[in-house]
Amino acid sequence: AQTVTQSQPEMSVQEAETVTLSCTYDTSESNYYLFWYKQPPSRQMILVIRQEAYKQQNATENRFSVNFQKAAKSFSLKISDSQLGDTAMYFCAFMKLDSNSGYALNFGKGTSLLVTP
Amino acid sequence: EAQVTQNPRYLITVTGKKLTVTCSQNMNHEYMSWYRQDPGLGLRQIYYSMNVEVTDKGDVPEGYKVSRKEKRNFPLILESPSPNQTSLYFCASSHTEGSYNSPLHFGNGTRLTVT
Repeated sequence: AQTVTQSQPEMSVQEAETVTLSCTYDTSESNYYLFWYKQPPSRQMILVIRQEAYKQQNATENRFSVNFQKAAKSFSLKISDSQLGDTAMYFCAFMKLDSNSGYALNFGKGTSLLVTP
Repeated sequence: EAQVTQNPRYLITVTGKKLTVTCSQNMNHEYMSWYRQDPGLGLRQIYYSMNVEVTDKGDVPEGYKVSRKEKRNFPLILESPSPNQTSLYFCASSHTEGSYNSPLHFGNGTRLTVT
């Protein structure tokens, strides 16, 4: 089974600053998907950004970008110009490209991010 | 509006009293799944369904049942709930032709407390 590790249980950042959340994973697969999900206090699970392993270019979505290092099995999330609304739990997730796995997302334990004024 | 609807949002019950958490999606998704979220453990898959009448176990299926008689519905059944099933539950759905282009849509969660 794939394991996803988020080594930072909690982080804080000041408004307008930049913060990076780390994620590493363990797999023997060569192709897979990686995701970052955001869970605000409302409990909704919101997809922030996604990356296919065969694509070398790092994904970017507005203020959110990733640093995908395939050899190091690292997938960090950078949030630029942090806003109060970014306060949430952030989950890194891994998915194999295999229907036999049930398209299961393997989640990390999460990083709680607090954005302060 | 495309959505996954779970009911109820909150549920408190007693040990051994059968309960069902409903999940319905209006996006004609083939794939549906249940996760539970526990502090310090992230989300773990309970059961999933690739299509109607096709279900399979995820990582933590013990104590749960599911059914998929219709494409839109995927209820989670706890025949005899126990306190260790106190958790936050999420239903999710997507098309099956590669969830990268069809990411999982999550419901708003059901907070279950078993006393």
